Amino acid sequence: AQSVAQPEDQVNVAEGNPLTVKCTYSVSGNPYLFWYVQYPNRGLQFLLKYITGDNLVKGSYGFEAEFNKSQTSFHLKKPSALVSDSALYFCAVRDGPGGYNKLIFGAGTRLAVHP
Amino acid sequence: SQTIHQWPATLVQPVGSPLSLECTVEGTSNPNLYWYRQAAGRGLQLLFYSVGIGQISSEVPQNLSASRPQDRQFILSSKKLLLSDSGFYLCAWSVGSSTGELFFGEGSRLTVL
Repeated sequence: AQSVAQPEDQVNVAEGNPLTVKCTYSVSGNPYLFWYVQYPNRGLQFLLKYITGDNLVKGSYGFEAEFNKSQTSFHLKKPSALVSDSALYFCAVRDGPGGYNKLIFGAGTRLAVHP
Repeated sequence: SQTIHQWPATLVQPVGSPLSLECTVEGTSNPNLYWYRQAAGRGLQLLFYSVGIGQISSEVPQNLSASRPQDRQFILSSKKLLLSDSGFYLCAWSVGSSTGELFFGEGSRLTVL
């Protein structure tokens, strides 16, 4: 069965510093991996995805993520954090094509960027 | 462009009362549709998904049901609400044959008292 883990409940970063939000996954086949962001009392917004190809994926709002097959990880990164990046971030995985696009989500990591 | 609407945005219901949350998608045809529940502002649990009119798959046994009476309409229901049904309910859609990202509505917050 597929699963995804976000080992940190919260990440604290100073504005202007780089940020990393961690995600590891487990699937039986080739993973499709996704990052979403959620602001308070709002729906989830799609940030980026990895399907195949270049291991470094660039997404919205200056975020990027690096797919590492040997470590089964897909960490979200940004070179310079903004206070407005403070939100709840979700990693999600799907086990390859098919399966009706059902995504399994991690528990979420709360990012707090301090001025 | 495609849009997804959910309503009501907020709902407070007594235990034992019925529930109906509605979701509609505009600007696309034959989408896959999903209901997720988010408890305590954290993880999401897939409740139901649908790949076509009248086709509903349930992911977890529960007090809820889903229906898809029209191509772009997805309804979450309950005959008698439990306290444990409280949560933030999110509808989402995806293109059936795509690489799989979901697009979410703004959510419906249900409080059962």
